[in-house]
Amino acid sequence: AQSVAQPEDQVNVAEGNPLTVKCTYSVSGNPYLFWYVQYPNRGLQFLLKYITGDNLVKGSYGFEAEFNKSQTSFHLKKPSALVSDSALYFCAVRDGSGAGSYQLTFGKGTKLSVIP
Amino acid sequence: GAGVSQSPSNKVTEKGKDVELRCDPISGHTALYWYRQSLGQGLEFLIYFQGNSAPDKSGLPSDRFSAERTGGSVSTLTIQRTQQEDSAVYLCASSLLQGGEQFFGPGTRLTVL
Repeated sequence: AQSVAQPEDQVNVAEGNPLTVKCTYSVSGNPYLFWYVQYPNRGLQFLLKYITGDNLVKGSYGFEAEFNKSQTSFHLKKPSALVSDSALYFCAVRDGSGAGSYQLTFGKGTKLSVIP
Repeated sequence: GAGVSQSPSNKVTEKGKDVELRCDPISGHTALYWYRQSLGQGLEFLIYFQGNSAPDKSGLPSDRFSAERTGGSVSTLTIQRTQQEDSAVYLCASSLLQGGEQFFGPGTRLTVL
């Protein structure tokens, strides 16, 4: 079984400040981790993924995420938040060992509000 | 190129009626996924198609839900005898290869009265 926890329903940050959206996961095999963003009335857009290699992953729109195996975390970060970053963010995981299915298991989402 | 498209964008139906939701994946993508997004529940996996293999139906919540994928391209999700708890946004995604990055459509918002 696999699961994702996003402990914060909402994160508020001032424009220009660094932002962090938290994610922890549980998976029996190798974790493949993803972040998606959803703007109002839009589908999900891919931000970044961790498959293997460097623990710090860089993605779209200046976002990055750090894979921490010991803490089973994959927090999303950005050095300087923009008002346009305000959206709903989803963390997702799947088992990359090949033993499981290929569907993603998503967290419940974190609403990010960047305050001007 | 064109992304994943879904139709209709909105569907309002009466309890007990059947509905069909359509997904057109990105051309050439072999894998297709259906998810359901309910308020406060995040995204819930429903079903997954890969090429000509038998679909993974492990996420379908009841036997009222079914899906097919014709010719390895377009997919239809059918909900029979709809219930109010079926109200949600139904999202379709496709990926070039099995397990690859998933690209999502805009979703179909289903409201069951």
